[in-house]
Amino acid sequence: EDKVVQSPLSLVVHEGDTVTLNCSYEVTNFRSLLWYKQEKKAPTFLFMLTSSGIEKKSGRLSSILDKKELSSILNITATQTGDSAIYLCAGIIQGAQKLVFGQGTRLTINP
Amino acid sequence: GAGVSQSPSNKVTEKGKDVELRCDPISGHTALYWYRQSLGQGLEFLIYFQGNSAPDKSGLPSDRFSAERTGGSVSTLTIQRTQQEDSAVYLCASSLTVGDQPQHFGDGTRLSIL
Repeated sequence: EDKVVQSPLSLVVHEGDTVTLNCSYEVTNFRSLLWYKQEKKAPTFLFMLTSSGIEKKSGRLSSILDKKELSSILNITATQTGDSAIYLCAGIIQGAQKLVFGQGTRLTINP
Repeated sequence: GAGVSQSPSNKVTEKGKDVELRCDPISGHTALYWYRQSLGQGLEFLIYFQGNSAPDKSGLPSDRFSAERTGGSVSTLTIQRTQQEDSAVYLCASSLTVGDQPQHFGDGTRLSIL
């Protein structure tokens, strides 16, 4: 059965800290991995990773995929209270179009 | 439209009643997906539609759940004889075509079964 597991499930840090969120996957015919940020309602797209070892960056956020370890990390540097959200990781199966989501990491940034 | 639109945003109903949830995808997007998010959980795939092809219903949890997409645009997810375990946020997403990423999500419908 295809599975995506995220850790930690919950994380509380102070503003300015750097955090690393983890995602591991067991997905047959893996194609790509996506990261989403979910604040109150709609998940919003952050990154799509298809190639191993190539870092994607957007401002203070960055992510990288390790196909050997079947995992990905999402880094956030100099965290701000606006980074508080649930971060979702999802795997895409080659030839199938649904996303297989992890449980999410609830990140709380305290001022 | 500018984004994926879902209605209602909240629905409270009694156990045993039928409910209909609506999704209006981004204009021009031919692929439409439904997911369910239970409290504290990730998203669970339910069904997707691509153009006029037969939908992939592999994620529907029981035969009480069904979905339609008329005219290749608006979709309705119907839950018959609702149970308390159906309480969740139902999210709809669309993409240009099936396989195109990312999927763009609506704000969801929060369904509460009393």
